[in-house]
Amino acid sequence: AQSVTQLDSHVSVSEGTPVLLRCNYSSSYSPSLFWYVQHPNKGLQLLLKYTSAATLVKGINGFEAEFKKSETSFHLTKPSAHMSDAAEYFCVVSDFTNTGFQKLVFGTGTRLLVSP
Amino acid sequence: NAGVTQTPKFRVLKTGQSMTLLCAQDMNHEYMYWYRQDPGMGLRLIHYSVGEGTTAKGEVPDGYNVSRLKKQNFLLGLESAAPSQTSVYFCASTIGIISNQPQHFGDGTRLSIL
Repeated sequence: AQSVTQLDSHVSVSEGTPVLLRCNYSSSYSPSLFWYVQHPNKGLQLLLKYTSAATLVKGINGFEAEFKKSETSFHLTKPSAHMSDAAEYFCVVSDFTNTGFQKLVFGTGTRLLVSP
Repeated sequence: NAGVTQTPKFRVLKTGQSMTLLCAQDMNHEYMYWYRQDPGMGLRLIHYSVGEGTTAKGEVPDGYNVSRLKKQNFLLGLESAAPSQTSVYFCASTIGIISNQPQHFGDGTRLSIL
């Protein structure tokens, strides 16, 4: 079964400084990986997805992630944090149920705090 | 641009009461999912459906039932609510079986069981 591990439960940055949210995955085959963002009292919104076309994936709002097979990592980065980036971020891997249908496996989340 | 709509947004129940959460999507998606979100645990799959009239169990199905009588709607029922079911419930949908297709989420239903 596929799984993801988010290495930090909380990350604090100052506005204007870089953001790094770490994610490692475990997969027995070439995975599909996603990052989702959840703002307070909202649902999850897709930031970006990796589907083997390119190892560096660009997403919305200036975020990007790099797929590194040798390190089994899919870290999320942004060059300069904005106050509006404060939210919870989920690293997600696509897997299949025992009946062959797609399901998502979620990490436990990283809460990003941005201070002025 | 409705996407995925969940009803209600908030609800407080007493132990033993029953209720139904409604999820509606207007994207003609085949697959629909119900998740629960608890602090520090990410999202866990309760039940899912791969098409009208079909449902299947996820990782945490106990205490819940679901129905998909129409393609656009996916209902989650609690027959006899328990405090352990206090959670935030999310519905999601996706176009189909292709693994790289993202899921689209509703804004959630916040449910408290007293």
